[in-house]
Amino acid sequence: QKEVEQNSGPLSVPEGAIASLNCTYSDRGSQSFFWYRQYSGKSPELIMSIYSNGDKEDGRFTAQLNKASQYVSLLIRDSQPSDSATYLCAVRASGGSYIPTFGRGTSLIVHP
Amino acid sequence: DAGVTQSPTHLIKTRGQHVTLRCSPISGHKSVSWYQQVLGQGPQFIFQYYEKEERGRGNFPDRFSARQFPNYSSELNVNALLLGDSALYLCASSSGGASKNIQYFGAGTRLSVL
Repeated sequence: QKEVEQNSGPLSVPEGAIASLNCTYSDRGSQSFFWYRQYSGKSPELIMSIYSNGDKEDGRFTAQLNKASQYVSLLIRDSQPSDSATYLCAVRASGGSYIPTFGRGTSLIVHP
Repeated sequence: DAGVTQSPTHLIKTRGQHVTLRCSPISGHKSVSWYQQVLGQGPQFIFQYYEKEERGRGNFPDRFSARQFPNYSSELNVNALLLGDSALYLCASSSGGASKNIQYFGAGTRLSVL
């Protein structure tokens, strides 16, 4: 059973702070990792994808991957109230049907 | 370019009824996946189709079925609806069956079973 674990939160940070969202996964064969943002009542939208160990930066967002520790994180710098949403971690193994497994999501609240 | 389109956006049914949800993928995408998302949970995988063939099936009862058409659009059918089927049903499309392919989600269909 492939599992993706996230703390459901809520994670509350002040505006301008760094928000750190974490995700662990059980399948060592996982090759692709995705972070989606989901506003209440809306569908998930992709923020970042990462495939190799290390950091990947895109604007205020940085994804960090450590395959040895089976850990992927998302950092949001200079957090804004508009970043308040649920952040879903998705993990996909290579081979087979390439079906991603989603975590339950972490709720982030950025307060002014 | 049009994104993933789903219809209808909202649906109210009663227990025991049947429902059909529809999805049109992004132009050029050949893979469609269906997910069920209940409040407070991440999307749960139901089906994946690629080039009109079923590539994967999640842990859902046989009341759930799907198909993909030659134009790559897809339908999700649910028979004998139960109260527990109330959820947001998401369709996602991707270009193909590679691990790095990114899935893009439609706006979803919110199904309420009374």
